[in-house]
Amino acid sequence: GQQLNQSPQSMFIQEGEDVSMNCTSSSIFNTWLWYKQDPGEGPVLLIALYKAGELTSNGRLTAQFGITRKDSFLNISASIPSDVGIYFCAVHSNAGGTSYGKLTFGQGTILTVHP
Amino acid sequence: EAGVTQSPTHLIKTRGQQATLRCSPISGHTSVYWYQQALGLGLQFLLWYDEGEERNRGNFPPRFSGRQFPNYSSELNVNALELEDSALYLCASSFVNTEAFFGQGTRLTVV
Repeated sequence: GQQLNQSPQSMFIQEGEDVSMNCTSSSIFNTWLWYKQDPGEGPVLLIALYKAGELTSNGRLTAQFGITRKDSFLNISASIPSDVGIYFCAVHSNAGGTSYGKLTFGQGTILTVHP
Repeated sequence: EAGVTQSPTHLIKTRGQQATLRCSPISGHTSVYWYQQALGLGLQFLLWYDEGEERNRGNFPPRFSGRQFPNYSSELNVNALELEDSALYLCASSFVNTEAFFGQGTRLTVV
């Protein structure tokens, strides 16, 4: 299947630091999505990317759709305690057959921010 | 506009019983995805429905099943519950190949 490799698995940072995480795959995708999940809640969509090379910001968050269409990164600038949570990348599969359009997630990055 | 809604929020069942979880997608969305998340870990893909049809299912036993209704709402059924089925069950909806939005989840506890 089309696998996403998300790294790092976890990060422990000090408040005010910048954070960077990424997702890579051996397959090409047309869409990259980034989500954040607070404990016990459903993931919330942060940024959607639809074009190779696209760089999109949402407040302190910046995400880029890799030019090769096989990767994406998410940056968080000047982290604050409420940034704590699990961050997931996701793609819609473009594999053939019944997997086409299936929403596939990376393993997640657990972010801890120390005040 | 209402988001994705899931019911119930919490569900406690005894081992061997059946559980039914429900999901109402965002109005107009035709795709519904179900995921299982145990212990705050990764999202394990369960089922994907689109336009009333099952499009794909994850690597789960047949006692996990579901359906999508003509109004695109969906339900997930888990038969013969086992202790390890205890998890947060998440539903997401989308148009095919566009951004998906999640509900708040159903916390299933099997005792």
